[in-house]
Amino acid sequence: DGGITQSPKYLFRKEGQNVTLSCEQNLNHDAMYWYRQDPGQGLRLIYYSQIVNDFQKGDIAEGYSVSREKKESFPLTVTSAQKNPTAFYLCASSMASSGNTIYFGEGSWLTVV
Amino acid sequence: GENVEQHPSTLSVQEGDSAVIKCTYSDSASNYFPWYKQELGKRPQLIIDIRSNVGEKKDQRIAVTLNKTAKHFSLHITETQPEDSAVYFCAPLYNNNDMRFGAGTRLTVKP
Repeated sequence: DGGITQSPKYLFRKEGQNVTLSCEQNLNHDAMYWYRQDPGQGLRLIYYSQIVNDFQKGDIAEGYSVSREKKESFPLTVTSAQKNPTAFYLCASSMASSGNTIYFGEGSWLTVV
Repeated sequence: GENVEQHPSTLSVQEGDSAVIKCTYSDSASNYFPWYKQELGKRPQLIIDIRSNVGEKKDQRIAVTLNKTAKHFSLHITETQPEDSAVYFCAPLYNNNDMRFGAGTRLTVKP
């Protein structure tokens, strides 16, 4: 069954803790993305990666970190430096060529308690 | 980066009426223009897209029109149904896979 798998679906974090959200895809896509969505708001780009071992900052990268050691995996770490991390996080992927459809995972809900 | 604006931010129509959502962008080099639909609590999904060499594309009740000169493209939904109620996002492609989304339009179709 091909697709993008995000885990966990729900996560609670204490203030000051780092947490890592997992994103795995078996679509053989080169490009992967992380977006943040606050309630009732649009999608804001955190980081994206067009190829293994390379990634670029999006609009709101501060307080987040990523790695791309494998083509199929693009984990996102929400660090303690992110002051307001409570949000819905969406991972996505697409073929590397310009103008290809982007496919989303089911998302992860992160709540700071 | 790409400046993307969607209008209106909310839209309410009666079932059976048409709905039109407009997306303006700033990068004249953009060449791919998709629309995504997001239902409450779910992931966005592509509903229709168009490339820069085409002016209009239609898929049943949904159509997208592109005006590259004016740098805007629009989503048209005809014969709206309650299940069309969702948030719609445009995402003109900027800088090869650096995809920025509009702020979204919340469409409500009243039965």
